[in-house]
Amino acid sequence: GNSVTQMEGPVTLSEEAFLTINCTYTATGYPSLFWYVQYPGEGLQLLLKATKADDKGSNKGFEATYRKETTSFHLEKGSVQVSDSAVYFCALSGDSYGGSQGNLIFGKGTKLSVKP
Amino acid sequence: EAQVTQNPRYLITVTGKKLTVTCSQNMNHEYMSWYRQDPGLGLRQIYYSMNVEVTDKGDVPEGYKVSRKEKRNFPLILESPSPNQTSLYFCASSRTGLDTEAFFGQGTRLTVV
Repeated sequence: GNSVTQMEGPVTLSEEAFLTINCTYTATGYPSLFWYVQYPGEGLQLLLKATKADDKGSNKGFEATYRKETTSFHLEKGSVQVSDSAVYFCALSGDSYGGSQGNLIFGKGTKLSVKP
Repeated sequence: EAQVTQNPRYLITVTGKKLTVTCSQNMNHEYMSWYRQDPGLGLRQIYYSMNVEVTDKGDVPEGYKVSRKEKRNFPLILESPSPNQTSLYFCASSRTGLDTEAFFGQGTRLTVV
């Protein structure tokens, strides 16, 4: 079945450092890929998404490219800020066939802490 | 303001005492779902609904029930809670099931003793 694997955390960086959080997936069909962010005490918010191969999603300085050949969707940011401290989840949409339409399948999450 | 509202935010209950966690969205979304979040396991889908009166099991449905009598509401029911249902629960909604942004509630932290 479909699955998402993302790098284990926690990740601790200094302000202005470069961030990469790796995400790979296994899927049948052509899923959409997402990154969600969860700030402390809050629900998840969509950070960015890509719906087909070679699409690049971007938002708030974060980017991720849908790489079908490597089944990856790595999250990157050139210069992190303290306010980026949160848990980041990679996710893919469920297969469009069958009963799980719309099921978002999440990775386990990566906690990012950015120090001043 | 577009939002998904869950209640309560925190709940401590005893084994076997029926409880309901409410979820309401004001965006006229067709698709709603419930997830639980556990350390080391990420989020796992419990139940989902593609429209009124249409519900289906997610990955971990055992011990839970849902109903979708109105488009805006999607309550989660634990008929006989057990300690292994202690978790952080999130309700989510989206315009359709695929490819569209999911909006999450703020979460309900449930402890079953």
